[in-house]
Amino acid sequence: NAGVTQTPKFQVLKTGQSMTLQCAQDMNHNSMYWYRQDPGMGLRLIYYSASEGTTDKGEVPNGYNVSRLNKREFSLRLESAAPSQTSVYFCASSGVGYEQYFGPGTRLTVT
Amino acid sequence: TQLLEQSPQFLSIQEGENLTVYCNSSSVFSSLQWYRQEPGEGPVLLVTVVTGGEVKKLKRLTFQFGDARKDSSLHITAAQPGDTGLYLCAGARTNAGKSTFGDGTTLTVKP
Repeated sequence: NAGVTQTPKFQVLKTGQSMTLQCAQDMNHNSMYWYRQDPGMGLRLIYYSASEGTTDKGEVPNGYNVSRLNKREFSLRLESAAPSQTSVYFCASSGVGYEQYFGPGTRLTVT
Repeated sequence: TQLLEQSPQFLSIQEGENLTVYCNSSSVFSSLQWYRQEPGEGPVLLVTVVTGGEVKKLKRLTFQFGDARKDSSLHITAAQPGDTGLYLCAGARTNAGKSTFGDGTTLTVKP
């Protein structure tokens, strides 16, 4: 089992460019999450999906969109990247309880 | 509003010392998780506590959930350099669909 995988691992964008971060899990989990982590800020929830076909906003959704493509995959899209979106992005999934399993992260720099 | 307060924010100790980190809230949680994150990686689940007053041990780590299920502590005995990392607590409320993370405690154990 690969657990939670994320692509790409690193990305550099120019202001205004768009990109999609991909996440997939092979644990048959219903819930999936996208977080961003900035220095000294801990994890902040961007969007989450409690089940296939549903998505909900978290604490910091502005500037992002998500798609729960199927039970395995949950993507995060930046339509017009801004320097304030420079961060490390983590995808996570959870099953029946709230125990979350995280991917290795995507390190995004917006110049 | 930060629902989970972790303290201390930073902790630097010598190998062999004991330490305790705290996770406090004014909210009641149905379960609480502790995670450890090493530099450049995603958080890894250490333990889940669900019952008020519950104590769980994981080798040299002891986790306790408060009687009222509003707070938790993590005690490490005889810390080792391999314990170095960011310790995060996360609380979940029934039917919330998501967890709330604290900002973490950064622990450095010097050899």
